Amino acid sequence: DQQVKQNSPSLSVQEGRISILNCDYTNSMFDYFLWYKKYPAEGPTFLISISSIKDKNEDGRFTVFLNKSAKHLSLHIVPSQPGDSAVYFCAASRTSGGSYIPTFGRGTSLIVHP
Amino acid sequence: EPEVTQTPSHQVTQMGQEVILRCVPISNHLYFYWYRQILGQKVEFLVSFYNNEISEKSEIFDDQFSVERPDGSNFTLKIRSTKLEDSAMYFCASSGWDDSYEQYFGPGTRLTVT
Repeated sequence: DQQVKQNSPSLSVQEGRISILNCDYTNSMFDYFLWYKKYPAEGPTFLISISSIKDKNEDGRFTVFLNKSAKHLSLHIVPSQPGDSAVYFCAASRTSGGSYIPTFGRGTSLIVHP
Repeated sequence: EPEVTQTPSHQVTQMGQEVILRCVPISNHLYFYWYRQILGQKVEFLVSFYNNEISEKSEIFDDQFSVERPDGSNFTLKIRSTKLEDSAMYFCASSGWDDSYEQYFGPGTRLTVT
């Protein structure tokens, strides 16, 4: 079941530069998209989200872009900081009785070098 | 800041034994979830719970699994007869009413079945 794909298992970036993490999905029923960040020995932490009716959402250094026609979303982190080093999970959700049931990608491990 | 807590952090059990994983969601949240992540694989949805009943469950959540909210604070996942392939990290999550897409995850319980 590969409804949500993160094709890059890892990404290495210099501090201060832009990090771009990509995600593709196949199910057109998804109506909400999220990015989670995960440090070792911790649970995923919600980072940023975007509704399917929008194409961009920005929160500080983090921006998520959604291209519905291409079924593609990306997370931009500018400027990248060493503390951003973590595994980033893309998730696509469909509503179910008021709750959102996410389908996760496999994650991309981001390393930001000082 | 309120957080989801899970106990124990690590549980080792023998195949065929019953285990109960415990979670304390954020106090004013209404939706509760269990996920698992087998080592090296993606986070997978197991079950969602709302208003004291299961609202949705995945194919993984078969008859050996059950969930319960025995009091106003705890949310438990029971695995009746554990199998080797149940070894995984189990994450509990909760979300509120207004922003139910934003799920707060606990740190996880690592279950090892021997």
